[in-house]
Amino acid sequence: DTAVSQTPKYLVTQMGNDKSIKCEQNLGHDTMYWYKQDSKKFLKIMFSYNNKELIINETVPNRFSPKSPDKAHLNLHINSLELGDSAVYFCASSPDRVRSTEAFFGQGTRLTVV
Amino acid sequence: GQQVMQIPQYQHVQEGEDFTTYCNSSTTLSNIQWYKQRPGGHPVFLIQLVKSGEVKKQKRLTFQFGEAKKNSSLHITATQTTDVGTYFCAGPDQAGTALIFGKGTTLSVSS
Repeated sequence: DTAVSQTPKYLVTQMGNDKSIKCEQNLGHDTMYWYKQDSKKFLKIMFSYNNKELIINETVPNRFSPKSPDKAHLNLHINSLELGDSAVYFCASSPDRVRSTEAFFGQGTRLTVV
Repeated sequence: GQQVMQIPQYQHVQEGEDFTTYCNSSTTLSNIQWYKQRPGGHPVFLIQLVKSGEVKKQKRLTFQFGEAKKNSSLHITATQTTDVGTYFCAGPDQAGTALIFGKGTTLSVSS
């Protein structure tokens, strides 16, 4: 069983479109995250959810909105896609945000905006 | 803001040579974690260090946490082609709510 799964794995879309990336974890973890990895492999935290409450919102454009229907899911919705949004987006989860225990990453979604 | 820096950014070695990557935080960390990302893959947790001056070993990998809990290193002895990938250090942000990653060291190994 995949611990943290995200779909789709690849996403190619045109500028201006709206798209969503889904993430699910079956580990029973309390905290889920979205990270963006650029072409230089820099992993930047975007959002963090703990028990359905947003606890981090980095300075990302408000075109990006996380949505968590329940503790096991954290989806990422992106409006009006721009070329600069092209990157690999990783979902992750961890058991305990307070102690920042190890994070388990999904396989990543490679987003290409053309 | 809080930063986690890593050097070198890239390292190429011949198989059998040793490799070290260094990590430095702008703030004292409660713990430091190391991750490995294979080409085309996702970051995978390797280890967590918590105590000042702590040293941990995993086969050919040796991890150290500095006395001041602001720096760390990962040393690989006698590299193999399977060691290829990007190694990240990461530490909790000051609120303890998420991991801040270094920019990673990408290791390539030629046989």
